[in-house]
Amino acid sequence: DIVMTQSPDSLAVSLGERATINCKSSQNLLYSSNNKNYLAWYQKHPGQPPKLLLYWASTRESGVPDRFSGSGSGTDFTLTINSLQAEDVAVYYCQQYYDTPLTFGGGTKVEIK
Amino acid sequence: EMQLVESGGAVVQPGGSLRLSCAGSGVTLEDYTMHWVRQVPGKGLEWVSLSSWDGGVTDYADSVKGRFTISRDNRKNTLYLQMNSLKTEETALYFCAKARVSAAGMLLDFWGQGTLVTVSS
Repeated sequence: DIVMTQSPDSLAVSLGERATINCKSSQNLLYSSNNKNYLAWYQKHPGQPPKLLLYWASTRESGVPDRFSGSGSGTDFTLTINSLQAEDVAVYYCQQYYDTPLTFGGGTKVEIK
Repeated sequence: EMQLVESGGAVVQPGGSLRLSCAGSGVTLEDYTMHWVRQVPGKGLEWVSLSSWDGGVTDYADSVKGRFTISRDNRKNTLYLQMNSLKTEETALYFCAKARVSAAGMLLDFWGQGTLVTVSS
């Protein structure tokens, strides 16, 4: 199974500042035939289902604000939230969809400092 | 408006069985690979199972293999998860999710609200 490791477990950021979340996979998520990284990021608010934010490591889902961005390739990935807003307080998960079993990182809780 | 509505969650004793349903509205489930994912209260997300559009291909997490069965009735636009020999550690919120076709049916792009399964004596 591909193990996804997120860091940090939680972080507190001031409104308007940047939040950075890291995700490391135990196997390469870059599929050579199409040069795509099979890595997604989700946002989860309490009592709500996960919401897809980014896929292919860096492609924003429709309707997602451009303050959310993703980077990385292979085994190391980053989710950046620029200019943190109050509504961004949530838990963020990375997930690989390269192979089954689909696996998720442990989650990063983002709070306001 | 697209909706996935899970139902069937309940309190069940260890070793018991339960069948969850996921009904689609505003979306034709037959067009998509569908998945079940669960979240133990206060913990992270765990993938459980997938079914291809016609049920011809299914897959399971090792932890549920042999005990859980995913199925679908596309005429009813509904996905199911039959869960047998339930364990206390499987107390969780169970989500169904549809997958994007362009990502080989593995990118979960829309989720239901979930249904709570409590396994307790």
